[in-house]
Amino acid sequence: AQTVTQSQPEMSVQEAETVTLSCTYDTSESDYYLFWYKQPPSRQMILVIRQEAYKQQNATENRFSVNFQKAAKSFSLKISDSQLGDAAMYFCAYIDYGGSQGNLIFGKGTKLSVKP
Amino acid sequence: DAGITQSPRHKVTETGTPVTLRCHQTENHRYMYWYRQDPGHGLRLIHYSYGVKDTDKGEVSDGYSVSRSKTEDFLLTLESATSSQTSVYFCATGTDNSPLHFGNGTRLTVT
Repeated sequence: AQTVTQSQPEMSVQEAETVTLSCTYDTSESDYYLFWYKQPPSRQMILVIRQEAYKQQNATENRFSVNFQKAAKSFSLKISDSQLGDAAMYFCAYIDYGGSQGNLIFGKGTKLSVKP
Repeated sequence: DAGITQSPRHKVTETGTPVTLRCHQTENHRYMYWYRQDPGHGLRLIHYSYGVKDTDKGEVSDGYSVSRSKTEDFLLTLESATSSQTSVYFCATGTDNSPLHFGNGTRLTVT
């Protein structure tokens, strides 16, 4: 069964600095997608960035970028120039369409604090 | 976003009572999901649907049932609520090869 592991329950970063959140996953599939979702105190789940496994180029969305290492099954999120509004829970998630009708599997989350 | 509405937003109920949570979408997405979120567990799949009247169990389905009589509505029912079902419940929708879109969640407290 596929699993997603986030080894950092909590992280802290100074405003304007860079932070990296870690995520590893386990799967026997070769075609899948990986995501980072942000959950602020409002409880809303917001898609931050998406990576398709067959694409070698790392995805980037403004200040957010990923380091996708397929062989190592690693998918870390880098937040540059951190802002106070980045404070939230961040969830790494995996999905494939092999047989589970596209079930999104989540890690347990990393709580990010941003210090002014 | 995907136009997902969850109702109610908050609910407090007593142990042993039935509870139904509703998810309504306006985007005609094929797949619909119910997740629960608990501290230290992330989000876990309860049930999902891949079409009208087509549903299947997820990782934590015991004590829950679902129904989907229309594309736009996906209902989650707790037949007899227990304190262990106190949680935040999220509905999500998706299409093939697309990221899931989430509703704003329902906070359920079972006393």
